[in-house]
Amino acid sequence: DAKTTQPPSMDCAEGRAANLPCNHSTISGNEYVYWYRQIHSQGPQYIIHGLKNNETNEMASLIITEDRKSSTLILPHATLRDTAVYYCIVRRGRRSNDYKLSFGAGTTVTVRA
Amino acid sequence: GAVVSQHPSWVICKSGTSVKIECRSLDFQATTMFWYRQFPKQSLMLMATSNEGSKATYEQGVEKDKFLINHASLTLSTLTVTSAHPEDSSFYICSAQGGTGELFFGEGSRLTVL
Repeated sequence: DAKTTQPPSMDCAEGRAANLPCNHSTISGNEYVYWYRQIHSQGPQYIIHGLKNNETNEMASLIITEDRKSSTLILPHATLRDTAVYYCIVRRGRRSNDYKLSFGAGTTVTVRA
Repeated sequence: GAVVSQHPSWVICKSGTSVKIECRSLDFQATTMFWYRQFPKQSLMLMATSNEGSKATYEQGVEKDKFLINHASLTLSTLTVTSAHPEDSSFYICSAQGGTGELFFGEGSRLTVL
């Protein structure tokens, strides 16, 4: 699977949008971009995923650049409960024989009141 | 979203004993489950891929005889840490593949070996 690069940490203000960048310059055509987050001492929580189009759900929006070499996760109105480690992962499609999820270091996001 | 449940959520055991952790997909069938381990302040490390009805595939460096994985049904996978030692103390997390491709994670099981 392609490697990803994320900033190790970032702070954001409660109520503001949080924009989390991720670089995946070696992503291949059949690899998706997934975002998960992990709140302290819990299992990871799925946020969103996409292939090449921008995606939005009730939790977040995912913006993928046209060349697919980077993406941004947007939390539209950050709350204190969004404080977590956010992982950007690229992963082959489920029709692939190898669709395991490998985690990098992630970005520790701290939302401040 | 889909629910994956782990049991126990925490366990303390004596060195040399074996501990079994269960992972269940509660509202969907999972032909594939994954087991991860996470040490404090570190990321999740994939240990093995568990396929229903067949042997698990272990990642490099993970001892298959120490970490026994059984995936006997489409909703249950178990991880048994055999002859546990203090260095096996960790947070063990399972995940299950849903029908739409997403991986759903359990709440994790914290193992402390005395």
